[in-house]
Amino acid sequence: DAGVTQSPTHLIKTRGQQVTLRCSPKSGHDTVSWYQQALGQGPQFIFQYYEEEERQRGNFPDRFSGHQFPNYSSELNVNALLLGDSALYLCASSRGWRGGGNEQYFGPGTRLTVT
Amino acid sequence: SQKIEQNSEALNIQEGKTATLTCNYTNYSPAYLQWYRQDPGRGPVFLLLIRENEKEKRKERLKVTFDTTLKQSLFHITASQPADSATYLCALGGNRDDKIIFGKGTRLHILP
Repeated sequence: DAGVTQSPTHLIKTRGQQVTLRCSPKSGHDTVSWYQQALGQGPQFIFQYYEEEERQRGNFPDRFSGHQFPNYSSELNVNALLLGDSALYLCASSRGWRGGGNEQYFGPGTRLTVT
Repeated sequence: SQKIEQNSEALNIQEGKTATLTCNYTNYSPAYLQWYRQDPGRGPVFLLLIRENEKEKRKERLKVTFDTTLKQSLFHITASQPADSATYLCALGGNRDDKIIFGKGTRLHILP
């Protein structure tokens, strides 16, 4: 079992550009959540996908959007990049939805640097 | 607004002793609380979950308590080892959604 995989590992972009990050969930998991983690901070919830729909969203602007595919993999898109978007982007997968504290498995993250 | 505080940014503990980490929260009534371990450059790893109606949970050398009156959770690592050195994150969640809120974490150093 490969666990949660994310690509790319590192990415450098320029202000104003757009970026797409990818995530494959752990085998048997159907729910994917995305988090942003700035240096020295805890992860901040961006949104969650289940059955190819965005089910929950944190306090992030519309520049952050996502998608989930029929095979449960997911993409995070960020438009009009700002310097403040530089962070580690984490994907987490779990089984099922509707809260209740499902154990989340995190990927290694994608380190995005915006210059 | 909802706030989570983890007791200190860094904690140094002598090997073999018990490490105790604190997570306090305000303006929130979580249905459950989770603890994660995060190593540098890696994603968090789930350790334990405790629900609002549970007082204590144990797993090997780990113990978590949850006091909804004090709005506090304590995370204990007994017989600590240098390999336990990492950042430990506390996270809260509700029953109706999976919007988990994480604390900043506590960096734990176990000194040999």
